Amino acid sequence: KNEVEQSPQNLTAQEGEFITINCSYSVGISALHWLQQHPGGGIVSLFMLSSGKKKHGRLIATINIQEKHSSLHITASHPRDSAVYICAGYTGNQFYFGTGTSLTVIP
Amino acid sequence: DADVTQTPRNRITKTGKRIMLECSQTKGHDRMYWYRQDPGLGLRLIYYSFDVKDINKGEISDGYSVSRQAQAKFSLSLESAIPNQTALYFCATSEWGVTYNEQFFGPGTRLTVL
Repeated sequence: KNEVEQSPQNLTAQEGEFITINCSYSVGISALHWLQQHPGGGIVSLFMLSSGKKKHGRLIATINIQEKHSSLHITASHPRDSAVYICAGYTGNQFYFGTGTSLTVIP
Repeated sequence: DADVTQTPRNRITKTGKRIMLECSQTKGHDRMYWYRQDPGLGLRLIYYSFDVKDINKGEISDGYSVSRQAQAKFSLSLESAIPNQTALYFCATSEWGVTYNEQFFGPGTRLTVL
């Protein structure tokens, strides 16, 4: 059993659609990290949050500590958003990673 | 220039060979991590280090060893490579003493063991 679960595993959307990726965790964490991995393999940090909501451009991340759940939203999706999105729970020492959500945005 | 660099970027080796993957960072971070990524399994922690004198095993350390030569350098060695160590390897860093210890990743090393 993985400590961090993501859904869906794969997601295809039309350009312009609103997208939601979910992350649930069972370990006690102090913060939740959202990352983006492009087809070339590079991994980029998007957000790290421990409560509430954070917004950067068209990306919004929310977390509910009591429910052990976080969501990543993409508004007005674009083909360049096509990537794998990974969430990771941070315990203070280590990160526990989900297996990722592969997003394809079709023009 | 990239803040976290990894060498080599690609490596093909044969079963039984000893190889070393190197990671360097210019971010001044104390914490460094080695992960491997396999399709469908996500990132798994091999080893991590919180400073030069601190080395800790991760989830899948068997068959691997590490060396923290300096704050900026963290090397991963495969003592005797085997085919199931074929994977994408990432080095990452994070800052100590910050509330949100965001990780910064190197570009990855694609290792193939024949």
